[in-house]
Amino acid sequence: LAKTTQPISMDSYEGQEVNITCSHNNIATNDYITWYQQFPSQGPRFIIQGYKTKVTNEVASLFIPADRKSSTLSLPRVSLSDTAVYYCLVGDSWGKLQFGAGTQVVVTP
Amino acid sequence: DADVTQTPRNRITKTGKRIMLECSQTKGHDRMYWYRQDPGLGLRLIYYSFDVKDINKGEISDGYSVSRQAQAKFSLSLESAIPNQTALYFCATSGRGTDTQYFGPGTRLTVL
Repeated sequence: LAKTTQPISMDSYEGQEVNITCSHNNIATNDYITWYQQFPSQGPRFIIQGYKTKVTNEVASLFIPADRKSSTLSLPRVSLSDTAVYYCLVGDSWGKLQFGAGTQVVVTP
Repeated sequence: DADVTQTPRNRITKTGKRIMLECSQTKGHDRMYWYRQDPGLGLRLIYYSFDVKDINKGEISDGYSVSRQAQAKFSLSLESAIPNQTALYFCATSGRGTDTQYFGPGTRLTVL
């Protein structure tokens, strides 16, 4: 399983865009990149997944460069309710995921 | 996710007691997982099961056992609970051929 490295914390104001970059230098050919969001005392929730280039859904965008050694989760116009821990994971279809400590995002008014 | 339920939601027990945490899912997924989370840390995989006849140890299986009673049910047991097993426990499921996992609400276990 490829190890991931991401910032411990990030602060933002409401309405700003938040970009969290994750490093995964040892990503394997079959690995996908997945981001989860976790609120206190709740289970993680799937946000977005990608393999290469750019993926966008109603919640976020995921940017993956050609070498796939990093990825950036972009949260547009954050609100207070986006305060949470965000996890970057890499894994293949076998379903085994390795969670790091994640990035604590704090959004203030 | 309401499709994945865990019981109990909270449990306080004493050292040496046997505890069972239960997980049920209505998503029709083959794969189920048990994780524990300690304060300020990410989730660590305890056991996982890719189908009813398949059980695999995860990163931290010592002191735990599991039972996959049916496709929809996956139980985690602590045969003799100890204080350092105090943690938040999550069950998750995923479909075949994908690593997207759906998590239950968690069980907060305290071992005194």
